[in-house]
Amino acid sequence: GENVEQHPSTLSVQEGDSAVIKCTYSDSASNYFPWYKQELGKRPQLIIDIRSNVGEKKDQRIAVTLNKTAKHFSLHITETQPEDSAVYFCAASNPNSGGYQKVTFGTGTKLQVIP
Amino acid sequence: DVKVTQSSRYLVKRTGEKVFLECVQDMDHENMFWYRQDPGLGLRLIYFSYDVKMKEKGDIPEGYSVSREKKERFSLILESASTNQTSMYLCASTSPSGHSYEQYFGPGTRLTVT
Repeated sequence: GENVEQHPSTLSVQEGDSAVIKCTYSDSASNYFPWYKQELGKRPQLIIDIRSNVGEKKDQRIAVTLNKTAKHFSLHITETQPEDSAVYFCAASNPNSGGYQKVTFGTGTKLQVIP
Repeated sequence: DVKVTQSSRYLVKRTGEKVFLECVQDMDHENMFWYRQDPGLGLRLIYFSYDVKMKEKGDIPEGYSVSREKKERFSLILESASTNQTSMYLCASTSPSGHSYEQYFGPGTRLTVT
C-alpha cells in the first residue's frame, strides 16, 4: 500500500518568514495530494490540494508543488502569521485503491509561528 | 455547510468493555471513514465504507469492527476495549461526485481505556 513520509515533525518560524513542509510517497500510481490543517482542539480541514497533471498550485499565501518523478510534494506558506500555527498533514491518494476518496496521511508537522 | 457529528467528545471505558462510537453526516455522502489519531503517527485509517452495508478494512483494523445500516450513520465498535486503543478517533465523510475530494471530519472522540 501507499506510504507517506512527512518532514519535519516540528517547525518554528518567526512571523513573516516562510515555512516549507515536505512529503514523499511510495505509490507511483497516486495522483491526488491534499493538505489538511488542524488547529489545536479542532478538526482537520482541507486547505489546498493538487492533482498530478499540475506541478504547482497557489492560493494566496500557500502553495503546493509536486514532483512526480521524485515522488515528493511540498507545502509552502509565505509571510507566516500566528494563525498559521497548527498541525499540517499531507496525504496521497491512488484512485485504483478505493478511489480518490481514500487517502493515506503523513505523520503531521506541528508549525509554530513566533510573533 | 457539511456537518459531521460524533456521539461523544470524551469517553472513558474499562478494559474489556464493548465500546460504540457513532458518526453522523448530513450531506448524503456515500463514503465514510474512521481514523485514529496518535501523536507522531498522524491519521491512520481503521475502516471505511463506500455504501450502506459495505465496508473495507483500512490500515489498522485489528480490534475494531464497523456498522453502516443507514447512509448517514457509521459506527465504530471496539468489541473488547484494551488500553492500547486509548486514542483520538476521527470520523470523516466525502462524496465521489463532483470535482471535490475533500474529506469532512467530525470533532473527534477522545477515548480513554483504563
